[in-house]
Amino acid sequence: DAGVIQSPRHEVTEMGQEVTLRCKPISGHDYLFWYRQTMMRGLELLIYFNNNVPIDDSGMPEDRFSAKMPNASFSTLKIQPSEPRDSAVYFCASSLRKTNEKLFFGSGTQLSVL
Amino acid sequence: GESVGLHLPTLSVQEGDNSIINCAYSNSASDYFIWYKQESGKGPQFIIDIRSNMDKRQGQRVTVLLNKTVKHLSLQIAATQPGDSAVYFCAENIRNRDDKIIFGKGTRLHILP
Repeated sequence: DAGVIQSPRHEVTEMGQEVTLRCKPISGHDYLFWYRQTMMRGLELLIYFNNNVPIDDSGMPEDRFSAKMPNASFSTLKIQPSEPRDSAVYFCASSLRKTNEKLFFGSGTQLSVL
Repeated sequence: GESVGLHLPTLSVQEGDNSIINCAYSNSASDYFIWYKQESGKGPQFIIDIRSNMDKRQGQRVTVLLNKTVKHLSLQIAATQPGDSAVYFCAENIRNRDDKIIFGKGTRLHILP
């Protein structure tokens, strides 16, 4: 298995632009998670899905952030409009059957908003 | 509240020595704990986990100890190698209506030659 695949690896954009981050979870995994990592706040859970349905989005910072999972093999995290404080590494992770088991992480997307 | 913290932000260890990375958690409802390793430019990688009904669990060169009385978790790495250089995170699952994994801030392990 190729593991969790994220794209792009790096994204540089200007303030106000729309940013879309993509994730392909491990085949057969029921749960998908989006995390944001910064030096100040560490790894923060933004949202997670179970069988393509959003379960908890309490970590999504603002209405500028949205996430979708149209099918079991694809998810997007969108920021519109982007701001410099959104600069961070965004990770996608998946787990097999439930939340309280080990997560498999992708390599992340390094986002820089200028 | 939901918080997982680490005692030391950076730990320097001589190659070949044992490393001990500590973690304190605050939520007594946490029932599952995980250690992750994150190398530069990569996502966190699972190392070892332990459930709250256990005190100790061993893997290959790694041991996790759980002390529920003082809400303390530790990761022991035997015979530390250069490849162990990374940031180590402890994470907990807080058992409530919406189980979710909460991560600590991380400890950087630096291996001295």
